[in-house]
Amino acid sequence: DTGVSQDPRHKITKRGQNVTFRCDPISEHNRLYWYRQTLGQGPEFLTYFQNEAQLEKSRLLSDRFSAERPKGSFSTLEIQRTEQGDSAMYLCASSSGLLFSYEQYFGPGTRLTVT
Amino acid sequence: GEDVEQSLFLSVREGDSSVINCTYTDSSSTYLYWYKQEPGAGLQLLTYIFSNMDMKQDQRLTVLLNKKDKHLSLRIADTQTGDSAIYFCAERTTLTGGGNKLTFGTGTQLKVEL
Repeated sequence: DTGVSQDPRHKITKRGQNVTFRCDPISEHNRLYWYRQTLGQGPEFLTYFQNEAQLEKSRLLSDRFSAERPKGSFSTLEIQRTEQGDSAMYLCASSSGLLFSYEQYFGPGTRLTVT
Repeated sequence: GEDVEQSLFLSVREGDSSVINCTYTDSSSTYLYWYKQEPGAGLQLLTYIFSNMDMKQDQRLTVLLNKKDKHLSLRIADTQTGDSAIYFCAERTTLTGGGNKLTFGTGTQLKVEL
């Protein structure tokens, strides 16, 4: 198992464009999380999936953001009409659903720059 | 709501001990974590402590938890230049369906000088 992977690693886009990021979790993990990290800050929770169901969304996730996990495996995060304030590192993490599972495994992140 | 605070910078000499401090607000947190982030790299889990423990030791790392004051610390013994990184404290809260949200502090940048 190669861990959590994210694609692309870097994305530069012009303000107003749409972007989509992909996350592939560790294969047997049924829980998947998205976080956002801005410069000089810790990661902030955005949303969470258990299998294909999106069970929780943060207030940080405005209407321009949508996340999917259609088959309970990989997930996509789309940002519509990007704004400069969306520039950040977008991190994906996964964890198993085992009762005493304590660790979220993080991917390397996708760095978004909106110009 | 959850809130986690850390000091921003710490500078130590190689071979000395480093102590990074953190305060958190959610007394229902079951696990508290320390993550390490190096430039251009993802978050690496260093260690964690369950809320019913006071101390946990893992090789050069010692975690102390004071639940009364909601204070967590990470001590790194014999700090090396390879320990230079940003260290994040995080508290875990349970979500719908059993998932867990991590609330991170702003991170402490550790600089190890020769």
